Amino acid sequence: NAGVTQTPKFQVLKTGQSMTLQCAQDMNHEYMSWYRQDPGMGLRLIHYSVGAGITDQGEVPNGYNVSRSTTEDFPLRLLSAAPSQTSVYFCATRTGEQPQHFGDGTRLSIL
Amino acid sequence: AQRVTQPEKLLSVFKGAPVELKCNYSYSGSPELFWYVQYSRQRLQLLLRHISRESIKGFTADLNKGETSFHLKKPFAQEEDSAMYYCALSGQTDKLIFGTGTRLQVFP
Repeated sequence: NAGVTQTPKFQVLKTGQSMTLQCAQDMNHEYMSWYRQDPGMGLRLIHYSVGAGITDQGEVPNGYNVSRSTTEDFPLRLLSAAPSQTSVYFCATRTGEQPQHFGDGTRLSIL
Repeated sequence: AQRVTQPEKLLSVFKGAPVELKCNYSYSGSPELFWYVQYSRQRLQLLLRHISRESIKGFTADLNKGETSFHLKKPFAQEEDSAMYYCALSGQTDKLIFGTGTRLQVFP
């Protein structure tokens, strides 16, 4: 099993560009979430999903969209990138009472 | 409101010294507490969860509901323990709330 796979690993964007960060899991976990990690601020929840077709906002949702059309995939979309969105993004999954599994992260720089 | 506080941004010790990484939480119900570790440029890995009450890599953590704390301890630090440590809380909403993290540096 690959676990949680995030692509790309690195990306540089210009302000105003759009892109999608991919997260795929092969563990059939119902719960998936996106976090951003910034120095001195820890990990902050952006959006999460408790199952296919269901998404909800986390702590810092502005500027990001998500969808969950399948159990396996939970893409994170930046519609118009801003320098404040420069960060490391982590996808995580969970099932039942088990703790969350994290992906390797996507390092995103916006110029 | 749910909140996790890690008061130390950086903790530096010498190899063999005891380590205590502090974590305090705010939650009105019965939370589940976790410690995650992130080695340099790697993914977060679960280190401990309070309900399992086990020792991983020599680390232990006890939930103190009276003091609302979940401090991480290790009696003898090793160089390979150098990493970023995050305390996290999960309540009824299933969301995982993280503290701001403590960087542990263990010098030889």
